[in-house]
Amino acid sequence: DGGITQSPKYLFRKEGQNVTLSCEQNLNHDAMYWYRQDPGQGLRLIYYSQIVNDFQKGDIAEGYSVSREKKESFPLTVTSAQKNPTAFYLCASSKDRIAGGFADTQYFGPGTRLTVL
Amino acid sequence: GQQVMQIPQYQHVQEGEDFTTYCNSSTTLSNIQWYKQRPGGHPVFLIQLVKSGEVKKQKRLTFQFGEAKKNSSLHITATQTTDVGTYFCAGNQGGKLIFGQGTELSVKP
Repeated sequence: DGGITQSPKYLFRKEGQNVTLSCEQNLNHDAMYWYRQDPGQGLRLIYYSQIVNDFQKGDIAEGYSVSREKKESFPLTVTSAQKNPTAFYLCASSKDRIAGGFADTQYFGPGTRLTVL
Repeated sequence: GQQVMQIPQYQHVQEGEDFTTYCNSSTTLSNIQWYKQRPGGHPVFLIQLVKSGEVKKQKRLTFQFGEAKKNSSLHITATQTTDVGTYFCAGNQGGKLIFGQGTELSVKP
């Protein structure tokens, strides 16, 4: 059964702690993405990766870090430097970031809702 | 910066009424995609429009891409309670997918 999994679904952390959100896909997609969703603000791109061992900052990368050691996995670390980390985090993947000059369809995971106490 | 504006932010309708959400970009888009996110869920791809003036239909949903490829709309005819959720457009600006803020649709039975 192919898809994208994110864990955990709900996550609580104390202020000042780093936390890592998991994202795994078995769709054999090259590109993976992390978005942050806040009410009324749509989806904002944090980081993306087009290929293993390579990733780029998105629009709101400050306070976050990622790694792409395997094609299937793209974990996101929310560091203590992130000023307002409470949000809904969505991971997505696409076959290629750019397919024939057009952005490819993105497939989203179920999301992780992070709350900082 | 790169932006795709989407309006309205919220829309409350009576079941059976029509619904439309609009997206506008200041720059020409290579293509535009539409996604639906059910309450508590994640965005799910609905459709992609590529050609200028393109119109596509999925049952009661009609998607349009403007002639200048700077705007798009999603129209739902005779809404049902199953249509509730947030509808996002996502425009391709220079190979980067930019999401609109979304329109949250609620349907009163």
